[in-house]
Amino acid sequence: DAKTTQPTSMDCAEGRAANLPCNHSTISGNEYVYWYRQIHSQGPQYIIHGLKNNETNEMASLIITEDRKSSTLILPHATLRDTAVYYCIVLYGNKLVFGAGTILRVKS
Amino acid sequence: NAGVTQTPKFRVLKTGQSMTLLCAQDMNHEYMYWYRQDPGMGLRLIHYSVGEGTTAKGEVPDGYNVSRLKKQNFLLGLESAAPSQTSVYFCASSLTSGGGSSYNEQFFGPGTRLTVL
Repeated sequence: DAKTTQPTSMDCAEGRAANLPCNHSTISGNEYVYWYRQIHSQGPQYIIHGLKNNETNEMASLIITEDRKSSTLILPHATLRDTAVYYCIVLYGNKLVFGAGTILRVKS
Repeated sequence: NAGVTQTPKFRVLKTGQSMTLLCAQDMNHEYMYWYRQDPGMGLRLIHYSVGEGTTAKGEVPDGYNVSRLKKQNFLLGLESAAPSQTSVYFCASSLTSGGGSSYNEQFFGPGTRLTVL
């Protein structure tokens, strides 16, 4: 399984964009990048996923570099409720392999 | 729809006791998963099921057994609990496997906090 590397923690001002980076340099051509988040010990929540192209949904945008070795999750207007642990996961087959994730603290 | 529910929410066991955690989903999902999460760590896959009557081992299966007798239920059993199994257990389900171009959004339950003394 491809491994991912994320910063341990990040801070973001409320109302600003939060940009969460992820390195996945060993990713294979048919492996998808998924992002989940976990708010205060609740079950993780799906955010977005992508293969090659940039993706956007109502929650976030996902920017994947052309070589696919890294990606960035963008929360366009972070709110206090976005404070959570964000997991970047490379999926192959049916298994999600969670790392430690990035603790995002949104501050007023 | 209730989504994914887990029973019980909390449990304290003594070493050597047994128990079963129940996961139920009402979304008609084929795939179901059991994870554990230890403090400060991400989730680790214990066992999973790709359909009724099937089970498979995940990353950390030792000390656990599972059964999927009905499509909507996935049971996780601890035959002889050990302090190392103190953890938060999450169940999840998904419609598809996520392989190829499939979409694999896993829906998670609220978790069961288990303490083994």
